[in-house]
Amino acid sequence: GIQVEQSPPDLILQEGANSTLRCNFSDSVNNLQWFHQNPWGQLINLFYIPSGTKQNGRLSATTVATERYSLLYISSSQTTDSGVYFCAVEVRDSSYKLIFGSGTRLLVRP
Amino acid sequence: GAVVSQHPSWVICKSGTSVKIECRSLDFQATTMFWYRQFPKQSLMLMATSNEGSKATYEQGVEKDKFLINHASLTLSTLTVTSAHPEDSSFYICSGGQGVYNEQFFGPGTRLTVL
Repeated sequence: GIQVEQSPPDLILQEGANSTLRCNFSDSVNNLQWFHQNPWGQLINLFYIPSGTKQNGRLSATTVATERYSLLYISSSQTTDSGVYFCAVEVRDSSYKLIFGSGTRLLVRP
Repeated sequence: GAVVSQHPSWVICKSGTSVKIECRSLDFQATTMFWYRQFPKQSLMLMATSNEGSKATYEQGVEKDKFLINHASLTLSTLTVTSAHPEDSSFYICSGGQGVYNEQFFGPGTRLTVL
């Protein structure tokens, strides 16, 4: 089955710093989503991005489907950005599935 | 974005009992819902896919007789953990979309602890 890898696994930032999170996938996919899981476990939708670039405030994402990767940019990080960031790829064969990467655990220090 | 709720948010039960978790789409109709399990510091693992009015499709390794899924309406899916044991303790999360191939929205999760 398809493999989804995220890097780095852990990241510590000082408030105000920028960072880039990466998601690699081993096969072609129909779509890709980025999520932020807050400390209470809630998954928050960040981007639904099969290709190209999208921006939402301090966050932006780029997916290059032909090269099988996606990047999530966080600029001017804040302590509230702490949590786990997951990418998930949409796979359609005999059924539809969302396959999650292993996540990047981010801690932003004041 | 669309809103998905789960109930209860946490539950503690004794080994051998059954626990039912509800997942509701509050402002959209979800023809398909998904159930995931997440162990501490791990990623989400898909357990099963449920389609309104039909039987659920389970992932390999998930016991269908242990994890009963019912999707009786377009806004409600339930997961029943039957004869729960301590190894079933986990964080259970559901998701829904307005169509099979649309963006998925996730519930807040249910933390199950089996003593």
